[in-house]
Amino acid sequence: GNSVTQMEGPVTLSEEAFLTINCTYTATGYPSLFWYVQYPGEGLQLLLKATKADDKGSNKGFEATYRKETTSFHLEKGSVQVSDSAVYFCALSVKQGGKLIFGQGTELSVKP
Amino acid sequence: NAGVTQTPKFRVLKTGQSMTLLCAQDMNHEYMYWYRQDPGMGLRLIHYSVGEGTTAKGEVPDGYNVSRLKKQNFLLGLESAAPSQTSVYFCASSSMDGSNQPQHFGDGTRLSIL
Repeated sequence: GNSVTQMEGPVTLSEEAFLTINCTYTATGYPSLFWYVQYPGEGLQLLLKATKADDKGSNKGFEATYRKETTSFHLEKGSVQVSDSAVYFCALSVKQGGKLIFGQGTELSVKP
Repeated sequence: NAGVTQTPKFRVLKTGQSMTLLCAQDMNHEYMYWYRQDPGMGLRLIHYSVGEGTTAKGEVPDGYNVSRLKKQNFLLGLESAAPSQTSVYFCASSSMDGSNQPQHFGDGTRLSIL
């Protein structure tokens, strides 16, 4: 079946540190891949997406590359800020009905 | 600029009570979804709809019913609430098949069943 596995949190970093959150997936066919971010008390917001192999999604300094050979979509940012503190969800889409399959989420806490 | 609006934001119920969560979107989206979010489990799909008058089961549909009588509204019902349904519920919508179009989420409804 389809599934997404993320590295467990919480992840605690100092401001300006480098961030990597690992995400791997299992899917039939060729899914689209997404990273969503959830700030405290809010709903999820799309951070970036990639729809085919070798695509790189980017937004707000975050990047992720769709790696078909390793079935991965790791999230990276070169220099995190306190305002990046949130929960990050990796997800893949299923063609039928556009359903999303989410990973369990990774909480990021950035300290000044 | 409302997007997806969920009501209520918070609710406490007793076991066995019923209630309806309302989701409204003003983006003319065809697809709508209900998820529940539990610690350490990400979001799990309860039910979804691919258009007015249609509904389908997701990953965890038991104990819930839904209706999509109008395109802009998607209702989630709990007929007889159980403590296992204590969760945060999110509604989402997308313009087309979400495989390429992002889903837009509401701010959630925090539901506690005592």
